[in-house]
Amino acid sequence: GDSVTQMEGPVTLSEEAFLTINCTYTATGYPSLFWYVQYPGEGLQLLLKATKADDKGSNKGFEATYRKETTSFHLEKGSVQVSDSAVYFCALSDNNGNQFYFGTGTSLTVIP
Amino acid sequence: EAEVAQSPRYKITEKSQAVAFWCDPISGHATLYWYRQILGQGPELLVQFQDESVVDDSQLPKDRFSAERLKGVDSTLKIQPAELGDSAMYLCASSPSGSLMEQFFGPGTRLTVL
Repeated sequence: GDSVTQMEGPVTLSEEAFLTINCTYTATGYPSLFWYVQYPGEGLQLLLKATKADDKGSNKGFEATYRKETTSFHLEKGSVQVSDSAVYFCALSDNNGNQFYFGTGTSLTVIP
Repeated sequence: EAEVAQSPRYKITEKSQAVAFWCDPISGHATLYWYRQILGQGPELLVQFQDESVVDDSQLPKDRFSAERLKGVDSTLKIQPAELGDSAMYLCASSPSGSLMEQFFGPGTRLTVL
């Protein structure tokens, strides 16, 4: 079945460091891919998404490119801030939008 | 900005007791979802409503869990009796279109079963 695998955390970075959180997927057909962020004490928020191969989703300085050849959707940010500390979830939706699968989450802590 | 409301935010109960969680979706959103998020894992969909009807409850443990959305607006998720393994975050989400691709999440209810 469809699934998402993301790198395990926790990840700790210094402010202004480069961030990569790896995410790979297994799916039949042409899924849509998402990154959600969960700040402490809050619900999940959609960070960015991509609906077809080679699409790049971007928001708040974060980017991820839908790579069909490597079945990946890695999250990147060039310069993290303390306020980026949160748990990041990679997710996949089947091409009908009827099933949704989350990864296990990666906790990011950014220290000043 | 409209948000999905959930209450309570935290609930501690003893095993074998009954617990209930409430969710009020964003106004006008016809589709409502309940997820369970066990610590260290991603959310798993428990039940999906379209208006007052259940669309998918294939992952809902029906021997102890029940969910209702009687008037097609707010919803209640109940567990009776609660078990230790039910300790988790219970998330509610809503969508204007019925697509999982456009869901908005509430802050969740953290349940601890002792």
